[in-house]
Amino acid sequence: AQSVTQLDSQVPVFEEAPVELRCNYSSSVSVYLFWYVQYPNQGLQLLLKYLSGSTLVKGINGFEAEFNKSQTSFHLRKPSVHISDTAEYFCAVTLRGGSYIPTFGRGTSLIVHP
Amino acid sequence: NAGVTQTPKFQVLKTGQSMTLQCAQDMNHNSMYWYRQDPGMGLRLIYYSASEGTTDKGEVPNGYNVSRLNKREFSLRLESAAPSQTSVYFCAGRGTGGALSYGYTFGSGTRLTVV
Repeated sequence: AQSVTQLDSQVPVFEEAPVELRCNYSSSVSVYLFWYVQYPNQGLQLLLKYLSGSTLVKGINGFEAEFNKSQTSFHLRKPSVHISDTAEYFCAVTLRGGSYIPTFGRGTSLIVHP
Repeated sequence: NAGVTQTPKFQVLKTGQSMTLQCAQDMNHNSMYWYRQDPGMGLRLIYYSASEGTTDKGEVPNGYNVSRLNKREFSLRLESAAPSQTSVYFCAGRGTGGALSYGYTFGSGTRLTVV
């Protein structure tokens, strides 16, 4: 079975500063990886995904993530955050093949201060 | 707009009451899912339906039942609500092609309180 650990439950940062949200996973087989964002009182929205190919993945709203197989990580980064990036971010992993049901991390709350 | 629609958005139930949460999608997803979200717990899978006519248990199925009425609709039923079922419930459909390959589209959620 796969598992996901989001290493920080809350990340405070000032506007225009860079940010990294950390995600580690464990799995005995190859995986697909995702980051989702949840704005207050809304559902989850797909930010980006890694399926195969280049390990650097670019998503919406200026976010990117890098798949590191040796460190089993998929950290999310943005070089300059905005107030509007304040939200909950979830990392998810699903096994290649099978039912494609992802396992979600517990979430990281990104709080952007002016 | 295309997507996943959940009703109702809010609900308050008394312990022991029953209710059905509705979910409909117009994105031609074969697979649909019900999750619950609790503070600090992330999302936990309750039930899923890999295709019309099939349903399977997820991580936390106790106290719930589901119906995949047709390809578009996937409902979640609480037969006898308990305070432990106070949560935010999300329905999702799984994409199989294009930009949503292997990603999910989520509804906006149902906030359920059981008193």
